[in-house]
Amino acid sequence: QVQLVQSGAEVKKPGASVKVSCKASGYTFTGYYMHWVRQAPGQGLEWMGRINPNSGGTNYAQKFQGRVTMTRDTSISTAYMELSRLRSDDTAVYYCARDYRGINYWGQGTLVTVSS
Amino acid sequence: DIQMTQSPSSLSASVGDRVTITCQASQDISNYLNWYQQKPGKAPKLLIYDASNLETGVPSRFSGSGSGTDFTFTISSLQPEDIATYYCQQYDNLPRTLTFGGGTKVEIK
Repeated sequence: QVQLVQSGAEVKKPGASVKVSCKASGYTFTGYYMHWVRQAPGQGLEWMGRINPNSGGTNYAQKFQGRVTMTRDTSISTAYMELSRLRSDDTAVYYCARDYRGINYWGQGTLVTVSS
Repeated sequence: DIQMTQSPSSLSASVGDRVTITCQASQDISNYLNWYQQKPGKAPKLLIYDASNLETGVPSRFSGSGSGTDFTFTISSLQPEDIATYYCQQYDNLPRTLTFGGGTKVEIK
């Protein structure tokens, strides 16, 4: 069965970077786009960008351009999202999610807390 | 960027009621519109893809319609387990971006 397992919660100081991993199993990793979506406490869903695991090509939301980097390691079926120059309003749950006729599989989410 | 306006932001209805949520795109998105359900503390769940197609395993009381700029999501008979927040999401080919609507919180009256 399809599973996306994300790395654990992180606490970071303002100005630092965070890198979240997402290990995929149960399907061909290179066959489906992987998205990253975040949700601040009590807020809605916010799309950050996506990566084509086959080519490594990326599309980022304009809001995160220059601050986010999405990569992958096909040898271990893992996608990564790195967000730099963290601010307090980056505190959120970060999800990886697989795309096929809509985003039909989601990771369990990784809470990133930015606090001094 | 395409903006998605979802309404209402919250609603309260009785068990068995018909519930309708709308989503309006700032420009024509054809049928590139999906609907999700999110329960507290959980990841979202895909219910409807490409505006009107029911995802496998989703109860038939959920439906979607529309194309172009105006879309509707309907729960034909609200059940207690449907208490959740619902989001629309569009997919834009050029540039290749996604946008979520602001969400609709559905509660039982």
